[in-house]
Amino acid sequence: GAGVSQSPRYKVAKRGQDVALRCDPISGHVSLFWYQQALGQGPEFLTYFQNEAQLDKSGLPSDRFFAERPEGSVSTLKIQRTQQEDSAVYLCASSLDRGRSTDTQYFGPGTRLTVL
Amino acid sequence: KQEVTQIPAALSVPEGENLVLNCSFTDSAIYNLQWFRQDPGKGLTSLLLIQSSQREQTSGRLNASLDKSSGRSTLYIAASQPGDSATYLCAVRNQGGKLIFGQGTELSVKP
Repeated sequence: GAGVSQSPRYKVAKRGQDVALRCDPISGHVSLFWYQQALGQGPEFLTYFQNEAQLDKSGLPSDRFFAERPEGSVSTLKIQRTQQEDSAVYLCASSLDRGRSTDTQYFGPGTRLTVL
Repeated sequence: KQEVTQIPAALSVPEGENLVLNCSFTDSAIYNLQWFRQDPGKGLTSLLLIQSSQREQTSGRLNASLDKSSGRSTLYIAASQPGDSATYLCAVRNQGGKLIFGQGTELSVKP
């Protein structure tokens, strides 16, 4: 069965460019999460969707970051006017979210963003 | 605010050794705790998930324990192999759903 997929796997952007990162969750998964992982660090939460509703965006570092999931499936993380400090791996995860404490998040391979 | 810390940051052991990775968290009101493995350039693979009401979980050579009252979890790896070399991440989930990760322990098992 297909897992979580992300595209592109690698993205190089010039400072000031806009980028869009895509996440395809596992089919039928209600919840979708975005995390940012800097080199040598653990992932840090960015935002969370339940179906198409963005329930938590407290981790987005600035108003240059925007995420959407318009039909409750595929999600896009957009970063406007990229800065060097945005360079990181962006991870997407999805879960069934049945409200049980056994629900686990399944992670995609990530998109490595390098801003020059 | 929940904070998760992992010790040590890096560990190198000879093949065959048993080893323990440590994770501590500041807020004991967790929903569950997970241990993940991350290989270079790859995403995260879930190894073990311990519910807040549980004390331990086992899978093959891996055993994870949870002591909520002291805010600690350990991942025990028996008879380590070179294929176990990876970064191991501990993450706690609070009621809201998001995971809060530690910085990870980079494990190297030498043949």
